[in-house]
Amino acid sequence: GENVEQHPSTLSVQEGDSAVIKCTYSDSASNYFPWYKQELGKRPQLIIDIRSNVGEKKDQRIAVTLNKTAKHFSLHITETQPEDSAVYFCAAKWGYQKVTFGTGTKLQVIP
Amino acid sequence: DVKVTQSSRYLVKRTGEKVFLECVQDMDHENMFWYRQDPGLGLRLIYFSYDVKMKEKGDIPEGYSVSREKKERFSLILESASTNQTSMYLCASSFKLGGQKAQYFGPGTRLLVL
Repeated sequence: GENVEQHPSTLSVQEGDSAVIKCTYSDSASNYFPWYKQELGKRPQLIIDIRSNVGEKKDQRIAVTLNKTAKHFSLHITETQPEDSAVYFCAAKWGYQKVTFGTGTKLQVIP
Repeated sequence: DVKVTQSSRYLVKRTGEKVFLECVQDMDHENMFWYRQDPGLGLRLIYFSYDVKMKEKGDIPEGYSVSREKKERFSLILESASTNQTSMYLCASSFKLGGQKAQYFGPGTRLLVL
């Protein structure tokens, strides 16, 4: 099966700074890498995703990079704002419809 | 807008009870998933289903079973609840084919087993 490791488990940044969350995966056949944001007491929601044939994808202040050779992918949030405070989960899709999630990163943006 | 609903937000059950958690989605998604979420462990897949009456074990299926009699409904069953099944349970759904691969989550059911 797939193993996804996510670091760091907690991250505190000053408002306006950048935040980077990193994930590694083990199955080279994994082909889809979504990122979910879970605000306190709410359900996880997809914020960005990337497919294995793409190296980078950007959506406003959020970007994801994928290094297939090294089997790692990262979430970058620029110009962080207090509403970015949440738990972020990376995930990797492998096999037939299976998705394995990382253990989550609690991001705190300090005003 | 995709809507995934779960039958209860909070449940309190006693050890040994049979527990049913239901999930309904209205987007005609083929795939449905059950996860449990525990602090420091992320989301762990219990079971998933890619079609009516089809199911596959996830990473932690022990102590659980599932039922998918209709496309829109996926039930998680705890045959005999135990205290170590106290957790947040999240249902999700997604398309099986095509470019849309995102999973849409329900609001979660927080289960306490006494």
